[in-house]
Amino acid sequence: GESVGLHLPTLSVQEGDNSIINCAYSNSASDYFIWYKQESGKGPQFIIDIRSNMDKRQGQRVTVLLNKTVKHLSLQIAATQPGDSAVYFCAEANSNTGNQFYFGTGTSLTVIP
Amino acid sequence: EAGVTQSPTHLIKTRGQQATLRCSPISGHTSVYWYQQALGLGLQFLLWYDEGEERNRGNFPPRFSGRQFPNYSSELNVNALELEDSALYLCASSLDLAGLPGAQYFGPGTRLLVL
Repeated sequence: GESVGLHLPTLSVQEGDNSIINCAYSNSASDYFIWYKQESGKGPQFIIDIRSNMDKRQGQRVTVLLNKTVKHLSLQIAATQPGDSAVYFCAEANSNTGNQFYFGTGTSLTVIP
Repeated sequence: EAGVTQSPTHLIKTRGQQATLRCSPISGHTSVYWYQQALGLGLQFLLWYDEGEERNRGNFPPRFSGRQFPNYSSELNVNALELEDSALYLCASSLDLAGLPGAQYFGPGTRLLVL
């Protein structure tokens, strides 16, 4: 079956440092990935996505890296700020199953001022 | 542009009652998804609607049902509520990309508490 997991359930970083959140996926057919941020009591917020024809994509202060060989996805947040404290989780989908996404349970990021 | 909206924000019911949750997608999005997020757990897929039709459902009993209206809004109905149905129910919407997965954008959720 599908499984999307995270290497670390919690991560603490100092304000201003860079954060790296990792995600492993098991379905080699997955070709679309999304990172979400979820603050306490709120719905998940889309951060950045990447399709399997790319191995890197950059947004504002965020970079997603995709390594299809080892089925690994990472989210890098530059100059982490207190407002970045939240749970981050990845989601995977593949074109064969259309819009069926599978979500990881998340990594809780705490930014220490 | 307005995001996905959900109502109510909070809902308190007793065991055995029925709950109705509502969702309005982003304008132009035709697909609506429902997820259950129990405390400390990841998102569990419930239902997917597109163009008024149910396209897929997750591993939930039939007492979880829903529909999508011509304006693409949707409602989720949960019958015969059980204590373990207490959770955050999230709605998401996406564009139809001719079979390709599209980014799902979430609403703020409805917090359902079953007593």
